[in-house]
Amino acid sequence: QVQLVQSGAEVKKPGASVKVSCKASGYTFTNYYMHWVRQAPGQGLEWMGIINPGGGQTSYAQNFQGRVSMTRDTSTTTVYMELSSLRYEDTAVYYCARRASVVAGTQLGLGRYYHYYMDVWGKGTTVTVSS
Amino acid sequence: DIQMTQSPSSLSASVGDRVTITCRASQGINIYLNWYQQKPGKAPNLLIYAASSLQSGVPSRFSGSGSGTDFTLTISSLQPEDFATYYCQQSFGTPRTFGQGTKVEIK
Repeated sequence: QVQLVQSGAEVKKPGASVKVSCKASGYTFTNYYMHWVRQAPGQGLEWMGIINPGGGQTSYAQNFQGRVSMTRDTSTTTVYMELSSLRYEDTAVYYCARRASVVAGTQLGLGRYYHYYMDVWGKGTTVTVSS
Repeated sequence: DIQMTQSPSSLSASVGDRVTITCRASQGINIYLNWYQQKPGKAPNLLIYAASSLQSGVPSRFSGSGSGTDFTLTISSLQPEDFATYYCQQSFGTPRTFGQGTKVEIK
């Protein structure tokens, strides 16, 4: 079955970096983009960015530009999210989530366009920033 | 960025009640709207995509509607396992944005 298995909890000091992994199984790894979403304690969901495991292209939320890096290793079907210059407010649960799609329609001259959604999620990795 | 606003932020309901949650986008997003359910300590779970398409395996008591800027998630008959927090999310533009969540509690 489709599964995303994330790495274990981390405790880091302010200013340090953390690297969270997300190992995919049960599907063709390079066929599905992967999102990263985080959730601070008692708060809502915040989108961090997305990576294309096929070609490695990334797109990051402006809030994390310059501090986040998303990479992938196709040999181990694993994506990684590294966040640097950690602050207390980066304390959160970090999730990876697979991007699925269905055809929304066809536009003349542009081809198909799609609906995208997050259909499978990892269980989350708790990152605590504490001195 | 597209802002997503849900209402109410929380509600109390009884088993068997019909529950409606609304989500408003700050600009038109066609039907590029998804709904997720999250239980405490768990990852979100996809319920509805493209505003009204039910994800495989999700009970038919869940339904979604709307287009443009206004959307609703309806639970036709609330079950004990439905007490959770619900989030809408737009997939029209980048960055992807979520509503602030609606917590459904037991009355």
